[in-house]
Amino acid sequence: GNSVTQMEGPVTLSEEAFLTINCTYTATGYPSLFWYVQYPGEGLQLLLKATKADDKGSNKGFEATYRKETTSFHLEKGSVQVSDSAVYFCALSKGANNLFFGTGTRLTVIP
Amino acid sequence: DAMVIQNPRYQVTQFGKPVTLSCSQTLNHNVMYWYQQKSSQAPKLLFHYYDKDFNNEADTPDNFQSRRPNTSFCFLDIRSPGLGDAAMYLCATSGIDRQETQYFGPGTRLLVL
Repeated sequence: GNSVTQMEGPVTLSEEAFLTINCTYTATGYPSLFWYVQYPGEGLQLLLKATKADDKGSNKGFEATYRKETTSFHLEKGSVQVSDSAVYFCALSKGANNLFFGTGTRLTVIP
Repeated sequence: DAMVIQNPRYQVTQFGKPVTLSCSQTLNHNVMYWYQQKSSQAPKLLFHYYDKDFNNEADTPDNFQSRRPNTSFCFLDIRSPGLGDAAMYLCATSGIDRQETQYFGPGTRLLVL
């Protein structure tokens, strides 16, 4: 079946530290992969996506590369800010009607 | 700006008292979804509409119903809320292409007293 395994949190980093949140997936065929971010008390916002192998999604300094050989889509940012504190969800889609989420990783960035 | 709007942002209801949450979209998307998200958990899909076609998830309780009177609006009805139904309810939309992204509204936080 389709599933997403996400690095467990919480993750606490100092401002300007390097961030990696691991995400691996199980799926048949060629899913699309997403990272969503949820700020406290808010809904989910699309952070970035990739729709085929070797694609790199990027937004707001965050990046993730679709690695089919390792079935991974790890989220990275070179220098985190306090404003990046949020919960990050990795997700995959096999079609518009099916979005499978990971369990979420809470990131706290301290000044 | 095209967007997904949810009202109200916070809803308080009493145990067993029916409640309706609303969602509207200006994206003109064919598909609309309702998710339930409990604290510190991933969103859980309750059901979705593909145009007017309703698709219920197998484990969605009968207590949850939905209506989509037109393309722009979709409602979530909870017939008899229990304490366990307190959660954030998220509405999302997408187009029909398999590559289409789901776009989420800000959510309605439901409190059951």
